Amino acid sequence: DAKTTQPNSMESNEEEPVHLPCNHSTISGTDYIHWYRQLPSQGPEYVIHGLTSNVNNRMASLAIAEDRKSSTLILHRATLRDAAVYYCILSQLLNTDKLIFGTGTRLQVFP
Amino acid sequence: DAGVTQSPTHLIKTRGQHVTLRCSPISGHKSVSWYQQVLGQGPQFIFQYYEKEERGRGNFPDRFSARQFPNYSSELNVNALLLGDSALYLCASSFSGKDTEAFFGQGTRLTVV
Repeated sequence: DAKTTQPNSMESNEEEPVHLPCNHSTISGTDYIHWYRQLPSQGPEYVIHGLTSNVNNRMASLAIAEDRKSSTLILHRATLRDAAVYYCILSQLLNTDKLIFGTGTRLQVFP
Repeated sequence: DAGVTQSPTHLIKTRGQHVTLRCSPISGHKSVSWYQQVLGQGPQFIFQYYEKEERGRGNFPDRFSARQFPNYSSELNVNALLLGDSALYLCASSFSGKDTEAFFGQGTRLTVV
């Protein structure tokens, strides 16, 4: 499975936008980009996924570089409840049965 | 609708003992995966089952085993527990394993002393 690289930690103030980067320079043409987040004392939860085009949903937006070697998860207005570890994961096709997690980015949100 | 449920939520075991962890997937989901999350790290894939058949296995010793029942619930068994097995064990379910998202339970916190 292709590897992803994320910063260990990021900080934001409440109600500000947050851009969480992910590098995946060895991504293959059939790899989907998934984002999950894990709130304290909970299991991971799905945030968003994409293949080539930018994606929006009620939780976040996913911006994918034209060469697909990097992507950015965008939280438009951070809240305290968005403080979590965010994982960027690649999977061949849509493959939810085996997710390869890295160490993720720990997002702190300050009031 | 109930999400993925795992039991027990916490347990403490002694080195050398055996443990069984249980997972009930979301109703209608046929795929169950197990993950181990050691403190400070991301979850690591252990097993995946679909329609009672093992579809995938991670890099874990044979002390780890699992099975899936006709109602799609699943058990993870760990024999001869080591201190290093102390972790949060997570179960995830999806309809087929080839879906847009997996749904995780809150996990079982296992402490081996």
